[in-house]
Amino acid sequence: RKEVEQDPGPFNVPEGATVAFNCTYSNSASQSFFWYRQDCRKEPKLLMSVYSSGNEDGRFTAQLNRASQYISLLIRDSKLSDSATYLCVVNPGGYNKLIFGAGTRLAVHP
Amino acid sequence: NAGVTQTPKFQVLKTGQSMTLQCAQDMNHNSMYWYRQDPGMGLRLIYYSASEGTTDKGEVPNGYNVSRLNKREFSLRLESAAPSQTSVYFCASPTGAGTEAFFGQGTRLTVV
Repeated sequence: RKEVEQDPGPFNVPEGATVAFNCTYSNSASQSFFWYRQDCRKEPKLLMSVYSSGNEDGRFTAQLNRASQYISLLIRDSKLSDSATYLCVVNPGGYNKLIFGAGTRLAVHP
Repeated sequence: NAGVTQTPKFQVLKTGQSMTLQCAQDMNHNSMYWYRQDPGMGLRLIYYSASEGTTDKGEVPNGYNVSRLNKREFSLRLESAAPSQTSVYFCASPTGAGTEAFFGQGTRLTVV
């Protein structure tokens, strides 16, 4: 079983739609969680951290369920510029290693 | 402030050739990583260095060697390239708290 699993997509949605991505992780001792965004042929960049209490940044909401070892990202009012691959990332602890999911591709169309 | 600088951006090698990918960070971070990214596989950790003078294997270290030359630089060497090493390679450096990793622009390597 992979340490971090994501639905690969692609998710094809119209502008203005709400879309949700899910991610599960296998190591129950994992300490911190993130969503990264990767544009085509570019490097990944941090989108947002994920906190136990849930957190929101504009149109983006991240949730963590430690009991189910589940992370989610909700994007509201999708924009064309949101088209990218979204990577679920887990830090299992120790030496700041980051474990990446394979990513979920989002395509927003007019 | 360049962040993480990675060279070269593109490389084509013949099977059996060797090469070194260079990475440097100017953020005074202790940790540095090398990942490879293949379609459908996400980023897989090849080697990491928790601090200057230390290196450890990640998930897919076979066929690679690394050198943490100093705090700034972390190089990845392919001694005898194989077609299975065709991939996009990323160097990354996380903050001390591990809250964010900064990536280089990537190296697209093709082994023929």
